[in-house]
Amino acid sequence: EVQLVESGGLWVQPGGSLRLSCAASGFTFTDYSMNWVRQAPGKGLEWVSYISSRGNTKYYADSTKGRFAISRDNAQNSLFLQMDSLGDDDTAVYYCARSAWKSWHFDLWGRGTLVTVSS
Amino acid sequence: DIRLTQSPSTLSSSVGDRVTISCRASQNVNNWLAWYQQTPGKAPKLLISRASNSETGVPSRFRGSGSGTEFSLTIDNLQPDDFATYYCQQYNTLSPTFGGGTRVEL
Repeated sequence: EVQLVESGGLWVQPGGSLRLSCAASGFTFTDYSMNWVRQAPGKGLEWVSYISSRGNTKYYADSTKGRFAISRDNAQNSLFLQMDSLGDDDTAVYYCARSAWKSWHFDLWGRGTLVTVSS
Repeated sequence: DIRLTQSPSTLSSSVGDRVTISCRASQNVNNWLAWYQQTPGKAPKLLISRASNSETGVPSRFRGSGSGTEFSLTIDNLQPDDFATYYCQQYNTLSPTFGGGTRVEL
């Protein structure tokens, strides 16, 4: 089955760090660029970060630049998001999303993992 | 960043209705626009890409149209499963953005 499964979401205090993971299966992971997209409670969708299929190109939303780091392990079919200096505004469900072939819309999404930043 | 403005934010409808959701971009996105459907507690689902190309398996009652900065998603013969929130997304730039969403409610 073609799927993405996120993990690692937790409650964390402001200023803390967290590492999210996304396990891909059912498709050739190395053929696709990947992204993280988040959704704050009751709010809309916000693209967070992008990584190319080989991992050599990365982009970040201004709101996360310098604090978040995206990476991937193609041997393990896994995507990661290292999040540092977390603030209240980072509270959200974080989705792993596959970029469609040679495009930048998202054709496959995971179920998401909830990150709660609160004291 | 390109701003996407969706209207209306909420749309009250009934089964069998035709509904149209608008998405206006702050600058030309060259038809690099997608539409997603999201039901509560679920991940978004891709419906339309390149403004009007339906994804495999998406019912034909979902139609995307528009160009440049003005786009719309039309749902004909609204079905119970269609009551959801719909988002447009532009991917013309290296910083993709989403519209604020339109909730289609009964």
